[in-house]
Amino acid sequence: AQSVTQPDIHITVSEGASLELRCNYSYGATPYLFWYVQSPGQGLQLLLKYFSGDTLVQGIKGFEAEFKRSQSSFNLRKPSVHWSDAAEYFCAVGAIAAGNKLTFGGGTRVLVKP
Amino acid sequence: GAVVSQHPSWVICKSGTSVKIECRSLDFQATTMFWYRQFPKQSLMLMATSNEGSKATYEQGVEKDKFLINHASLTLSTLTVTSAHPEDSSFYICSARGSRVVEKLFFGSGTQLSVL
Repeated sequence: AQSVTQPDIHITVSEGASLELRCNYSYGATPYLFWYVQSPGQGLQLLLKYFSGDTLVQGIKGFEAEFKRSQSSFNLRKPSVHWSDAAEYFCAVGAIAAGNKLTFGGGTRVLVKP
Repeated sequence: GAVVSQHPSWVICKSGTSVKIECRSLDFQATTMFWYRQFPKQSLMLMATSNEGSKATYEQGVEKDKFLINHASLTLSTLTVTSAHPEDSSFYICSARGSRVVEKLFFGSGTQLSVL
């Protein structure tokens, strides 16, 4: 079975500082990996995804993520955080073998200080 | 890009009543739709997978008689919470897939259900 762990429940970062959100997954084959952002009371917006190829993936809103197979990780980064980046971030793993279901991590809430 | 419309955005109901939530794919045909549930400050948990024209597949621990899912057309799936109780209060999100590849997966904006 596939699983996803986001070790950090909360992260507080100053506006303009860099941000890194950790994600570790467990899956027997090469997974499809996703990062979603959720604002309060809202649905999910896809930031970026990895299926194959270049392990450094660029997404929307200036986010990027790097797939590291040896570490089973898919960490999300942003060089300079804006106040509008305050939200809940979810890492997810999916696979064709699992019927394309997504398994989500527990989420990381990002707070941005002025 | 593809849009998935979920309605209503929020609903308040009395205990014992039933609530229906709709999930529509607006510009593509969704062969498969997924229903998730999210408790406050928690992650999304998959409840069930529905394929157009067939019975939904429920995840372990999800009561199929309580959470009725209908996927009668390629653009509409509904989740009905029957005889709702306060513990059913949650945020429900649907997602729709337009093809067999997992990348073509789009989420609705969610429905906040509060049962009094």
